[in-house]
Amino acid sequence: GAVVSQHPSWVICKSGTSVKIECRSLDFQATTMFWYRQFPKQSLMLMATSNEGSKATYEQGVEKDKFLINHASLTLSTLTVTSAHPEDSSFYICSARSRDANTGELFFGEGSRLTVL
Amino acid sequence: AQSVTQLGSHVSVSEGALVLLRCNYSSSVPPYLFWYVQYPNQGLQLLLKYTTGATLVKGINGFEAEFKKSETSFHLTKPSAHMSDAAEYFCAVNPRNFNKFYFGSGTKLNVKP
Repeated sequence: GAVVSQHPSWVICKSGTSVKIECRSLDFQATTMFWYRQFPKQSLMLMATSNEGSKATYEQGVEKDKFLINHASLTLSTLTVTSAHPEDSSFYICSARSRDANTGELFFGEGSRLTVL
Repeated sequence: AQSVTQLGSHVSVSEGALVLLRCNYSSSVPPYLFWYVQYPNQGLQLLLKYTTGATLVKGINGFEAEFKKSETSFHLTKPSAHMSDAAEYFCAVNPRNFNKFYFGSGTKLNVKP
């Protein structure tokens, strides 16, 4: 199956710093990637949809200036949490849809656990 | 509006017992349906999916699910639970619009020895 890789898996940072999370589709081209946030014992909350070469579409309530998303190529999307604060601590998961897929299936990365001190 | 309902946030079964995780959806047309499994601190792994054709679909690890249009359901079953099945399971719906994907709230499966 298609593989999506996220990096880093774990990151700890100080309050006020910025953190970048990468999401790569390893063996397919992804025209669309999705970024989710998952709070403990809860479901996935869609943060934004990113399309290669265009601006991301953010869900209501998600600060686009705080969560910067870049989808510069068909295999890479990045999420940058700017000026991170403890309340940004969470599990972030990316997913990607293959350009060739016709069934809507999403392939998920392993997730990135962010802890802001 | 689309919605996905998973009845029971926690389900506990004994090892060897039947697993039944419920999922109902609301959609004006039959959507694509998925079950994903999540182990602690990991991403989501596809268990199985329904797109078209046979309504009973088989997935990995012995799981299967049946699409019932009349009941707008896509319940996940496994005849005999194994300890390694303990995880969180998410039902998801894609309403054949590639830009949206809706998740249920998840069901945590506990398997007792």
